Amino acid sequence: AQSVTQLDSQVPVFEEAPVELRCNYSSSVSVYLFWYVQYPNQGLQLLLKYLSGSTLVESINGFEAEFNKSQTSFHLRKPSVHISDTAEYFCAVSDRSSSNTGKLIFGQGTTLQVKP
Amino acid sequence: SQTIHQWPATLVQPVGSPLSLECTVEGTSNPNLYWYRQAAGRGLQLLFYSVGIGQISSEVPQNLSASRPQDRQFILSSKKLLLSDSGFYLCAWAEANYGYTFGSGTRLTVV
Repeated sequence: AQSVTQLDSQVPVFEEAPVELRCNYSSSVSVYLFWYVQYPNQGLQLLLKYLSGSTLVESINGFEAEFNKSQTSFHLRKPSVHISDTAEYFCAVSDRSSSNTGKLIFGQGTTLQVKP
Repeated sequence: SQTIHQWPATLVQPVGSPLSLECTVEGTSNPNLYWYRQAAGRGLQLLFYSVGIGQISSEVPQNLSASRPQDRQFILSSKKLLLSDSGFYLCAWAEANYGYTFGSGTRLTVV
């Protein structure tokens, strides 16, 4: 079974400052990793994902995450945040097994609060 | 392109009343479908998933049920709502293990 721990429930940061949202996972099998973003009263949107290949993955709006297998982490970073990045961010994991149910296990979420 | 529709957007229901939330997917066939619940200030809890018509797996014992009468239709139901059923319900579909596409969600308040 997999589990996901997002170490910070809230991260306040000033506009144009860098930010890191931490995510650690536990799994006995190889996994796929995801970050989702949720704006108020909306569904979740896929931000980026790691399936294979390069351990550094990037989104179109400047976020990046690095898969670190030895530390079982998939931290999300952005070098300079905007007010519009204020949202809740969820880290998620699914296993690569052939059962192929595609179930995602989510962390508890981190609220990013960008202040002017 | 694939799209997912979920309705209604908001719902206020009295305790003991029935519930039916519907989710439909367009632009794909035989998708894996999921129902999640997000309680206030908490993460997402997987309630049900389905890998095909009539195939429903329940992740947690509860007051809710799910059905998949058609390939691209997934329904969440309850015969009698409880206060604890309040929350934000999200439907999602997935291809293999490549992540979900979520619906816009239903905010359910049981009063």
